[in-house]
Amino acid sequence: DVKVTQSSRYLVKRTGEKVFLECVQDMDHENMFWYRQDPGLGLRLIYFSYDVKMKEKGDIPEGYSVSREKKERFSLILESASTNQTSMYLCASSAPGTSRPYEQYFGPGTRLTVT
Amino acid sequence: AQTVTQSQPEMSVQEAETVTLSCTYDTSESNYYLFWYKQPPSRQMILVIRQEAYKQQNATENRFSVNFQKAAKSFSLKISDSQLGDTAMYFCAFMKISGGGADGLTFGKGTHLIIQP
Repeated sequence: DVKVTQSSRYLVKRTGEKVFLECVQDMDHENMFWYRQDPGLGLRLIYFSYDVKMKEKGDIPEGYSVSREKKERFSLILESASTNQTSMYLCASSAPGTSRPYEQYFGPGTRLTVT
Repeated sequence: AQTVTQSQPEMSVQEAETVTLSCTYDTSESNYYLFWYKQPPSRQMILVIRQEAYKQQNATENRFSVNFQKAAKSFSLKISDSQLGDTAMYFCAFMKISGGGADGLTFGKGTHLIIQP
């Protein structure tokens, strides 16, 4: 089974701190994604990556950056955390060349609170 | 850009009943996938069912089936013989298919489905 793990389930940070959210997948997937989930808004795409060192902006990239130095790891970075970035963050991965090419596998999520 | 609309924020049915969740979408793309994802309480998001836009036949996975109306841009999910374990948030999602691979998903706001014993 595909496994997508995220470094923390719960995280509390102060306004202005630099925050790193880590995501690791164990199935050699090319594509990786970061979403944020807010009640009443569903999930919204922040950034995604097709390959190592490649990144594409999603629908709401402002205030975020990403890093993908290794194929299995995709990091979301909040350069200066703000209270409006308090949210649940979900990572996902997918592999175009498989029998289920467009299925995204999700991690358990990181609930980030910025105070 | 595409949008996905789920008009039912919450639904509640009795165990063993059949329930239909609604989803409409708006896009100018011709090549895309539609999905229903399930997020149980405090558990990971999992894929329920997928529909390729070029296929006319509606997808079915055991008790889950869809009614895909491409011209109307409608994609509803039917759950037959509902079970307590079906209690979850259900998200309808859209993915356009680009030449370089998949793009991210565009989600609806979700429907909270409660199955009552």
